[in-house]
Amino acid sequence: GAVVSQHPSRVICKSGTSVKIECRSLDFQATTMFWYRQFPKKSLMLMATSNEGSKATYEQGVEKDKFLINHASLTLSTLTVTSAHPEDSSFYICSAGKRNYEQYFGPGTRLTVT
Amino acid sequence: EDQVTQSPEALRLQEGESSSLNCSYTVSGLRGLFWYRQDPGKGPEFLFTLYSAGEEKEKERLKATLTKKESFLHITAPKPEDSATYLCAIPLSGTYKYIFGTGTRLKVLA
Repeated sequence: GAVVSQHPSRVICKSGTSVKIECRSLDFQATTMFWYRQFPKKSLMLMATSNEGSKATYEQGVEKDKFLINHASLTLSTLTVTSAHPEDSSFYICSAGKRNYEQYFGPGTRLTVT
Repeated sequence: EDQVTQSPEALRLQEGESSSLNCSYTVSGLRGLFWYRQDPGKGPEFLFTLYSAGEEKEKERLKATLTKKESFLHITAPKPEDSATYLCAIPLSGTYKYIFGTGTRLKVLA
């Protein structure tokens, strides 16, 4: 199988605080993980690509100092939303890359910033 | 320029009414075309990978096919539980990043 987990599934935080989201590949090693953001009724928007042991590559327009990504091991990547504001409220989804360009997605994290 | 287009944007079917979803693509050197199913409030669920024209994959009521320009996801005798958004994606040339289509929102009525 190819199972990817995300934690937490939902989080509510106050404006100005930071939130960390974890993404784990449970039954395979992923040298590459991806972080997406999805707005209601829209397709996935890639935020960044992270490779184990190296700095993440951010897409144009994504603030790397706001969205900190760490890929510390072959099974774990984290996304930290720093100094969150209401406009950061969204659905965040990670994926883990497997052989032959396949990506397996986590269940997503709903972030609400009040 | 690499591009993926899905049609229709939305589709309503009666239970048992078979149909097809389309994913047209433009890429220099296809390294796979991927189909996913996404339910509301959840991450995409992997369905199929197709790598070469003429290839077909099946899973329950779903069958995916691939030509040099497009892929079809055929749904045979759909049930209400097949209601979801279906996404197709291809790797962007030279990278592992995906280009996604905008998806087809399928609603199957009982």
